[in-house]
Amino acid sequence: ELKVEQNPLFLSMQEGKNYTIYCNYSTTSDRLYWYRQDPGKSLESLFVLLSNGAVKQEGRLMASLDTKARLSTLHITAAVHDLSATYFCAVDIDNDMRFGAGTRLTVKP
Amino acid sequence: DSGVTQTPKHLITATGQRVTLRCSPRSGDLSVYWYQQSLDQGLQFLIQYYNGEERAKGNILERFSAQQFPDLHSELNLSSLELGDSALYFCASSVLWDRDGYTFGSGTRLTVV
Repeated sequence: ELKVEQNPLFLSMQEGKNYTIYCNYSTTSDRLYWYRQDPGKSLESLFVLLSNGAVKQEGRLMASLDTKARLSTLHITAAVHDLSATYFCAVDIDNDMRFGAGTRLTVKP
Repeated sequence: DSGVTQTPKHLITATGQRVTLRCSPRSGDLSVYWYQQSLDQGLQFLIQYYNGEERAKGNILERFSAQQFPDLHSELNLSSLELGDSALYFCASSVLWDRDGYTFGSGTRLTVV
C-alpha cells in the first residue's frame, strides 16, 4: 500500500530563516505534487514534479524530486509571514493521488 | 475560482440524517475525486469517478455512496450520519492522465450535531 510521510508535521520559523520540509513515499512513482492550504480554505497546487531530478521554484519556495530515494523536498528560503499555511505533498500512482499528513508552517516575525 | 464548484459550502445536520453534497468539475475534466478532511484523519481519499464510472475506492464507509452523472457532475451521499462524520469534504477534478494534478473545489463543511 502506498504510504506518504511528511516531516516535520509542525514547523515554527522566524522570518528570514531557511528550512526544508521532507516527503517520503513507499512506492515507485514519478509524479509528485505539492499543495498549499490556508486555514479553512481549499488546496492550491504549488508544484508538479514529473521526473527524477526535477526542480521547480516559485518565489521563496523550491521543490525537488529524487525518485530513486523516493523523496521530495520543499525548501523555504528567507521565510515571510505570508508563507504560513499547511503544505501537503501528494504522490500519484495510476491516477490515484495519496496525500501526506501535511506540514503546518507558522512563520513568526 | 478554481472552476470546481461545490455546494453547499456549509451544512449542519443531526445524527442519523442523510445529506447530499454536490460537485461540478472544471470544464473538460472527466474525473472527479472525493476527499474527506478531518483534524484527526487528515486528507482521506474516498472515491473516484471517471466519465460516469467508478474507478477507484479509498476509505469510504458503507454508509457513504457517490455517483457521477452524464453531465459529469457528482454527488456524495452520506447517510446515518454520526458525530465523527463532521469534516470538510473536498471534490477535485482532473482530465484522466492529466499531469498537472487535481483542481480542488472550495469544500463543503459538514457539521453533525
